[in-house]
Amino acid sequence: AQSVSQHNHHVILSEAASLELGCNYSYGGTVNLFWYVQYPGQHLQLLLKYFSGDPLVKGIKGFEAEFIKSKFSFNLRKPSVQWSDTAEYFCASPPRVGGGSNYKLTFGKGTLLTVNP
Amino acid sequence: NAGVTQTPKFRILKIGQSMTLQCTQDMNHNYMYWYRQDPGMGLKLIYYSVGAGITDKGEVPNGYNVSRSTTEDFPLRLELAAPSQTSVYFCASSPRDRYTDTQYFGPGTRLTVL
Repeated sequence: AQSVSQHNHHVILSEAASLELGCNYSYGGTVNLFWYVQYPGQHLQLLLKYFSGDPLVKGIKGFEAEFIKSKFSFNLRKPSVQWSDTAEYFCASPPRVGGGSNYKLTFGKGTLLTVNP
Repeated sequence: NAGVTQTPKFRILKIGQSMTLQCTQDMNHNYMYWYRQDPGMGLKLIYYSVGAGITDKGEVPNGYNVSRSTTEDFPLRLELAAPSQTSVYFCASSPRDRYTDTQYFGPGTRLTVL
């Protein structure tokens, strides 16, 4: 079954530190992947998404992610975090092409990022 | 555009009570979804709809019902509330391509069942 895993449950950084959050997927074929962010008390919003082409994807607020097929990974990165990046980050995979009537986004369990000023 | 709106924002129910969570989108999206979010568990799909009059079960549909009489509205009904339904509920919508389209989420409803 299609799955997405995030191994870091809680990451604590100081401002200006570099960030890398891990995301691994478990299926082959066509791979589409998203990163969503949920700021405290707010709804989920899209950070970036990958479908095909350039494996380095740039998103909003200085975030980027690199799709590495050989490692089944789609890690999220930011060179220098800010206090305002404190949030929960979710990796997600949309349904696979040819996967029948599957309509759901498959979410990882999320990584809580705390950035200390 | 308001996007996806949900009401209420918070609600406390007693065991056995019923309620309807409202969801409306003004983006003319075909697809709508209901998820529940539990701490450390990510989001689980409850029900989804691919258009007015068409709904189907997701991963965790037990104890819930939905209807989709218009493109804009997708209410979620809880019958006989149980403590296991304590959660944060998110409604989402997307245009038409389930493989590539971004899902847009509402602000959520925090429900407590006591």
